Amino acid sequence: EIVLTQSPATLSVSPGETATLSCRASQSLSSNLAWYQQKPGQAPRLLIYDASSRATGIPARFSGSGSGTEFTLTISSLQSEDFAVYYCQQYKNWPPWTFGQGTKLEIK
Amino acid sequence: QVQMVESGGGVVQPGKSLRLSCVASGFTFRTYAMVWVRQAPGKGLEWVALCSRDGRNEYYADSVKGRFTISRDDSKNTLFLQVNSLRPEDTALYYCARVAEMATIFDNWGQGTLVTVSS
Repeated sequence: EIVLTQSPATLSVSPGETATLSCRASQSLSSNLAWYQQKPGQAPRLLIYDASSRATGIPARFSGSGSGTEFTLTISSLQSEDFAVYYCQQYKNWPPWTFGQGTKLEIK
Repeated sequence: QVQMVESGGGVVQPGKSLRLSCVASGFTFRTYAMVWVRQAPGKGLEWVALCSRDGRNEYYADSVKGRFTISRDDSKNTLFLQVNSLRPEDTALYYCARVAEMATIFDNWGQGTLVTVSS
């Protein structure tokens, strides 16, 4: 089973600044990594797939990068609605499809 | 628009069973694989089960294998999860989600149905 480790657990950033979230895999994923956003009381929403492709309707301030075992989600010009929990998910080796434990992005 | 509505959750005693349902709309249900993902209170996401678009292939997390069964009724655009021999650690919000066409990522989610296992 592939284990995904996200860091940091909590990230405090001011609106308008840039947030950088990390996801590390226990083995190579190539580019088979997705990112999701979850706001309180809501279902997760797909943001990024194939490590760097934005899902439909996702603003350009969200960008993904990386390959292999190291991945990054970057959110530039943070808006109030971007403060949420973010999860990475791998789909390289399955089952199981595994998620990271999440990074909470909070307002500084 | 794409929509999934889950139902069937509730409070049950350990060892009991429930049948969760997910009614889909806004897309051609029979052409998509579907999954159940759960989230324990205050915790992260855990994939539970996947049903292929033809219903022939099913995959389960080790934590539920042998106790949960995923199925679908394409005539009713409905996904099911039969959950048996429930344990307190199965307490969670259960989401159904659509599997994207291009990869096994989950591109649309329902709002979830809450299962609480408690004596």
